[in-house]
Amino acid sequence: AQTVTQSQPEMSVQEAETVTLSCTYDTSESNYYLFWYKQPPSRQMILVIRQEAYKQQNATENRFSVNFQKAAKSFSLKISDSQLGDTAMYFCALRGGSQGNLIFGKGTKLSVKP
Amino acid sequence: ETGVTQTPRHLVMGMTNKKSLKCEQHLGHNAMYWYKQSAKKPLELMFVYSLEERVENNSVPSRFSPECPNSSHLFLHLHTLQPEDSALYLCASSQEKGGGLAGVNEQFFGPGTRLTVL
Repeated sequence: AQTVTQSQPEMSVQEAETVTLSCTYDTSESNYYLFWYKQPPSRQMILVIRQEAYKQQNATENRFSVNFQKAAKSFSLKISDSQLGDTAMYFCALRGGSQGNLIFGKGTKLSVKP
Repeated sequence: ETGVTQTPRHLVMGMTNKKSLKCEQHLGHNAMYWYKQSAKKPLELMFVYSLEERVENNSVPSRFSPECPNSSHLFLHLHTLQPEDSALYLCASSQEKGGGLAGVNEQFFGPGTRLTVL
């Protein structure tokens, strides 16, 4: 069975500072993909960043980057220069092998304070 | 606003009612999904359609009945629901390689339907 665990139900950060959201996962697949999705209060879920497990280099998208530790099965998201618009629920998700569905964590509610 | 639309955005129904949720994707994708999002629980996959055929059903109760008439539309028919079925129902779509589900393309989500069962 595949699982995703987000141990931080809520976090807050001051505007312009950096915050890291944690995610650990478990899978028996050798080939899998990891994602961070953002769900703002308007509820539209959008992809923030993705990582292919076979790639050693950590993915980066502007202010968002990941720390992918494959041996530890850890996939944390770092948000630099936090902005008020980053306030949202953040979900870590795993997609393993030939499975089409995403396995989601419970989410971390991030509040960016002015 | 989005390539995936859902209607209605809010729905209140009694346990004896029959209603349907609609999802439409304008992205030319070949796979569509229904997820259930309950408070303090991870998103749960309910149904997956690839090339209009259902390929996975995670033991969802029969009071939920999906329908995918074509690659752009997905319905979720509801009947005799329970109060614990109250949740946000999210639709998503993706473009899968070769028509199967081995691709890595992201899923695009709709805004969801907030369902309340009285």
